Amino acid sequence: SAVISQKPSRDICQRGTSLTIQCQVDSQVTMMFWYRQQPGQSLTLIATANQGSEATYESGFVIDKFPISRPNLTFSTLTVSNMSPEDSSIYLCSGGLARGDEQFFGPGTRLTVL
Amino acid sequence: AQSVTQPDIHITVSEGASLELRCNYSYGATPYLFWYVQSPGQGLQLLLKYFSGDTLVQGIKGFEAEFKRSQSSFNLRKPSVHWSDAAEYFCAVDVDSGSARQLTFGSGTQLTVLP
Repeated sequence: SAVISQKPSRDICQRGTSLTIQCQVDSQVTMMFWYRQQPGQSLTLIATANQGSEATYESGFVIDKFPISRPNLTFSTLTVSNMSPEDSSIYLCSGGLARGDEQFFGPGTRLTVL
Repeated sequence: AQSVTQPDIHITVSEGASLELRCNYSYGATPYLFWYVQSPGQGLQLLLKYFSGDTLVQGIKGFEAEFKRSQSSFNLRKPSVHWSDAAEYFCAVDVDSGSARQLTFGSGTQLTVLP
């Protein structure tokens, strides 16, 4: 199994600013993903974080708005740039080894944009 | 495109009653199927998964799920619900996007347990 931690756990930010969320896994994982969970909604995949290369973004998400880094197999960051109130969500990081294996989720970062 | 449908947005049951949460998927190949639970303020915890073999799978906390290919369903069941089971439940499908495997989640079912 893997334990995933995220920092910060929550934040309140002003419109137009940026926030970087960190995701740390306690063991090496093949895949890392970033999800967004808007209030009362399900999880939507933002992107797949690729080690040492650009992330793979899902439709509706772009690198300029959500830059992602993954310098090694256990760490990734997601930046929410130029925030607006519509970005208020829970952002979750997950990691897994292979298809069919469990994806482990972090506790999430609750972001409120004023 | 693949999709996961959880037709029940909210279910209320009495403590001790049986529970069934529905999940239907649309996917061409044999999917890898998961049920996750999210308690208030918590991350997601895996209850169980299916990808081959016995179509009735057992999970943690007394939950089980049955894969029915003919109905494209993977319903979650528990014979006797406990108050601590109140949470949001998500069904998910593992799909191959080409460059990586990823999960597609259903919209979730909120479970309320009455004393």
